[in-house]
Amino acid sequence: DVKVTQSSRYLVKRTGEKVFLECVQDMDHENMFWYRQDPGLGLRLIYFSYDVKMKEKGDIPEGYSVSREKKERFSLILESASTNQTSMYLCASSLWGDRAFFGQGTRLTVV
Amino acid sequence: AQRVTQPEKLLSVFKGAPVELKCNYSYSGSPELFWYVQYSRQRLQLLLRHISRESIKGFTADLNKGETSFHLKKPFAQEEDSAMYYCALNSGYSTLTFGKGTMLLVSP
Repeated sequence: DVKVTQSSRYLVKRTGEKVFLECVQDMDHENMFWYRQDPGLGLRLIYFSYDVKMKEKGDIPEGYSVSREKKERFSLILESASTNQTSMYLCASSLWGDRAFFGQGTRLTVV
Repeated sequence: AQRVTQPEKLLSVFKGAPVELKCNYSYSGSPELFWYVQYSRQRLQLLLRHISRESIKGFTADLNKGETSFHLKKPFAQEEDSAMYYCALNSGYSTLTFGKGTMLLVSP
């Protein structure tokens, strides 16, 4: 079974901190994604990557950046965390044209 | 621009009743649609996709291009169906555009 693992289930950070969310997949998928999930808003795409060192902006990239140095790892970076970035963050991976597999999510609280 | 609309935030039914979760989409092109489900304290997972035309856990969904709809149906709801359901559209590069989700509550 495909495993997408996010490094933390819960994080609490202070406003202005630099925050790293890590995601690792074990099925050699080309594509990796970061979404944020908010009640009443569903899931919104932040960034995605279809190859190592490649990255593309999604619908809400402001305040975020990403890094993909290895195929299996995709990191989401909050350069300077703000309270409006308090959310559930979901990582996903997929092969081209195939279903997406999701991680268990990281609930980030910025205080 | 692509868009997915799920008009109901919450759908509450009794066990054994039929269920229909609505999904409408806007997309210029041939759409690829999915239903994802998230049970309590579990990760988001694929329930079904329209191209496979299969039934999972008794759920079916038919793509209606004329009405731009992809409603999810089950003839007899079970308590274990209680979950958050998201309709999603492949918007290119295997990215997904999600609806806002519908919480299904099945009461005994």
